[in-house]
Amino acid sequence: VQLHESGPGLVKPLQTLSLTCTVSGQSISDASVYWTWVRQHPGEGLEWIGYIYFTGKTYYNPSLQSRVAISLGMSRNQFFLTLSSVTAADTAVYYCARVDCTNEACSYYHGLDVWGHGITVTVSS
Amino acid sequence: SSELTQPPSLAVSPGQTASITCSGNKLWIKETSWYRQRPGQSPQLIIYEDFKRPSGIPDRFAGSRFRDTATLTISATQAVDEADYFCQVWDSHTLLFGGGTKVTVL
Repeated sequence: VQLHESGPGLVKPLQTLSLTCTVSGQSISDASVYWTWVRQHPGEGLEWIGYIYFTGKTYYNPSLQSRVAISLGMSRNQFFLTLSSVTAADTAVYYCARVDCTNEACSYYHGLDVWGHGITVTVSS
Repeated sequence: SSELTQPPSLAVSPGQTASITCSGNKLWIKETSWYRQRPGQSPQLIIYEDFKRPSGIPDRFAGSRFRDTATLTISATQAVDEADYFCQVWDSHTLLFGGGTKVTVL
């Protein structure tokens, strides 16, 4: 299984950041996993953004919930991140990853076991 | 507090044992995962459900949890173990990461 992030590396302030994660080697319709986005500010730790199940059910970090949306693209086995009204504080490396959850309720959480290589997004005019 | 607290840094000599702690109220009842992030690379899962290792992770890496603290132990530390290490918990469809510990192998 491989994940690959793509999208613009530069976004202007107050615009919307849009990223794509293309999954190969596994269908995003697999009921045993969630698909997630995580970001890492320069020189800092990891911040969970949110995740999505194949049904379209989403869960978001409360600190970002008002600006974030994660969606699916079944036909191309992709999932997407949009983050609106960005500022310099949204400058980060954005990772997509697979969450091994066994089922929708995540009865047995087994961690983020496959990660993309990450994409650097800079917010600047 | 909903935070997970890790020491910012840890130095260890080659061949010695490194112990990285992660503390927080959630750890009384929630299992911990650990990730290793080598410089310039993506994070990699090395421990889940407190102590289980994914395929390919050597048994030099061990995890444990007691009360409000989880511990990642690296035995016989090697130069390749120099990295940032992050703890993480899942709680009711919310993921929380610790701040990370930078391990330096002297």
